[in-house]
Amino acid sequence: AQSVTQPDIHITVSEGASLELRCNYSYGATPYLFWYVQSPGQGLQLLLKYFSGDTLVQGIKGFEAEFKRSQSSFNLRKPSVHWSDAAEYFCAVGASGTYKYIFGTGTRLKVLA
Amino acid sequence: EPEVTQTPSHQVTQMGQEVILRCVPISNHLYFYWYRQILGQKVEFLVSFYNNEISEKSEIFDDQFSVERPDGSNFTLKIRSTKLEDSAMYFCASSEEGAGGRFFGPGTRLTVL
Repeated sequence: AQSVTQPDIHITVSEGASLELRCNYSYGATPYLFWYVQSPGQGLQLLLKYFSGDTLVQGIKGFEAEFKRSQSSFNLRKPSVHWSDAAEYFCAVGASGTYKYIFGTGTRLKVLA
Repeated sequence: EPEVTQTPSHQVTQMGQEVILRCVPISNHLYFYWYRQILGQKVEFLVSFYNNEISEKSEIFDDQFSVERPDGSNFTLKIRSTKLEDSAMYFCASSEEGAGGRFFGPGTRLTVL
């Protein structure tokens, strides 16, 4: 069955520290992979996406993610977290031939000053 | 920067009543979607719409739900007879291509009493 797993429900980091949010997927087809961020009371904002090619993708707000096919992972990283990055982060997967995206359950990031 | 807009931001209704949630997708986008997020749960795909017809729908999108693009700018979701379990945040999204990253609106919080 198709699924997306974000193993960490909550993560707390200090401002200026590095960040890695984990995402694992199970998908029969070659996946399209996405990371979204949701601030409280807001919609989902697309941070970055991977369709094919270079497995390290750059996104907005200084985020990047690396697709590792062998590990079925698409982890999100940021070298230095800012207080404004506190939000909930969702990994999502889609594929050619379907319009349906499957979202993970989200990771809520807290940033300590 | 173009964005997806949704109205109303919050809708309260009595069980059994009909509601219509409205969305204005990004103007040059051709694909439109509705997702929902029940409080504390993951974002779930409801339906995709392209070329004036439903292109894909989930098992959640039963006969109580319908979508329409009544004119060149609006995209609506109708729930004919609301149930308590329909209480959720409903997100509209649009994309330029079917496989492209979805651009989400801020959501409509639907509360069914």
